[in-house]
Amino acid sequence: GDSVTQMEGPVTLSEEAFLTINCTYTATGYPSLFWYVQYPGEGLQLLLKATKADDKGSNKGFEATYRKETTSFHLEKGSVQVSDSAVYFCALTGNTGGFKTIFGAGTRLFVKA
Amino acid sequence: DADVTQTPRNRITKTGKRIMLECSQTKGHDRMYWYRQDPGLGLRLIYYSFDVKDINKGEISDGYSVSRQAQAKFSLSLESAIPNQTALYFCATSDLKLADQETQYFGPGTRLLVL
Repeated sequence: GDSVTQMEGPVTLSEEAFLTINCTYTATGYPSLFWYVQYPGEGLQLLLKATKADDKGSNKGFEATYRKETTSFHLEKGSVQVSDSAVYFCALTGNTGGFKTIFGAGTRLFVKA
Repeated sequence: DADVTQTPRNRITKTGKRIMLECSQTKGHDRMYWYRQDPGLGLRLIYYSFDVKDINKGEISDGYSVSRQAQAKFSLSLESAIPNQTALYFCATSDLKLADQETQYFGPGTRLLVL
């Protein structure tokens, strides 16, 4: 079945450092890919998405590109801030089987001032 | 006001008790979901409903049941709670509109502790 694998955390960075969180997936067909973010004490919220190969999703300085050839959707940000500290989830929604969403295990990011 | 609300936000119960977690949404979405979150495991789907008359099991439905009382309400019940059901529970919604049908909108979560 479909699956999502993302790098284990926690990831600890200093403010203004470059961030990469790796995500790879296994799916049949052409899924849509997502990054969700969970701030402390809150539910998940959509950060960005891409629906087809080579699409780039972007939001709040974060970017991720849908790479079908490597089945990857890595999250990047050029300069992180303390306020980016959160848990980040990579996810996919397949276009078969009722559009169910599969989530990765989550990667916790700590940004130090 | 929040679009997706969950009650209670925190609950402590004892093994063997029946409890209900409630979810309400004002987004007008047809689809509703229940997930549980455990450290290191991400979110796992318990049940989902695509409309009031449609209920489907997710990957970990054993020990749980649901009720879709209306388009806006989707309740999760633990018939006889056990300690390994201690987790953070999330309700989510999504919409059939083609442009955004796959994005899910989450409630704030219910933290459940089963003693």
